[in-house]
Amino acid sequence: NAGVTQTPKFRVLKTGQSMTLLCAQDMNHEYMYWYRQDPGMGLRLIHYSVGEGTTAKGEVPDGYNVSRLKKQNFLLGLESAAPSQTSVYFCATDLKEGHEQFFGPGTRLTVL
Amino acid sequence: GQNIDQPTEMTATEGAIVQINCTYQTSGFNGLFWYQQHAGEAPTFLSYNVLDGLEEKGRFSSFLSRSKGYSYLLLKELQMKDSASYLCAVLDSNYQLIWGAGTKLIIKP
Repeated sequence: NAGVTQTPKFRVLKTGQSMTLLCAQDMNHEYMYWYRQDPGMGLRLIHYSVGEGTTAKGEVPDGYNVSRLKKQNFLLGLESAAPSQTSVYFCATDLKEGHEQFFGPGTRLTVL
Repeated sequence: GQNIDQPTEMTATEGAIVQINCTYQTSGFNGLFWYQQHAGEAPTFLSYNVLDGLEEKGRFSSFLSRSKGYSYLLLKELQMKDSASYLCAVLDSNYQLIWGAGTKLIIKP
């Protein structure tokens, strides 16, 4: 079992470019989350999903969109990247809210 | 607003004991988590407290006082591999996790 995987691991974008980050899980978990982690700050929730076909905004959703067409996949899109979106992005899953979350290895994104 | 405070950095000696504190002010409380994060890696779950008191798991213990909005993570018999950041996170009334910025623990031989 792979657990939670993320692609790509690293990416450099120019301002205004778009990209999609993919999170895949084989744990059969309902809940999936996208976080960003910046130096000196706690993990901040971007968007989350409580099941296939549903998504909701987190603390910092502006500039990002998500989709959960299949239970095992959660996609994070950046429509027009900005330098402020330079960060490490983590995907996480849990069986139900309030349980421990399992994290993917992260995607390090730099926007020039 | 919601706030979680932890020391930014701590240093300890191999074989010793260290206590990492976490204080919180959140909208409601449905439990407190501790995660470990090695540099360049993903956070991994260490412990969960929802009731007051001490939870022990091997070399690691976690304590919670809900009335004081306070928790600590106690690491015993420190090993070099314990060098990592330790993240405190609180589950608020909406079952959203609010994360602290983390405490970087440096272990010296």
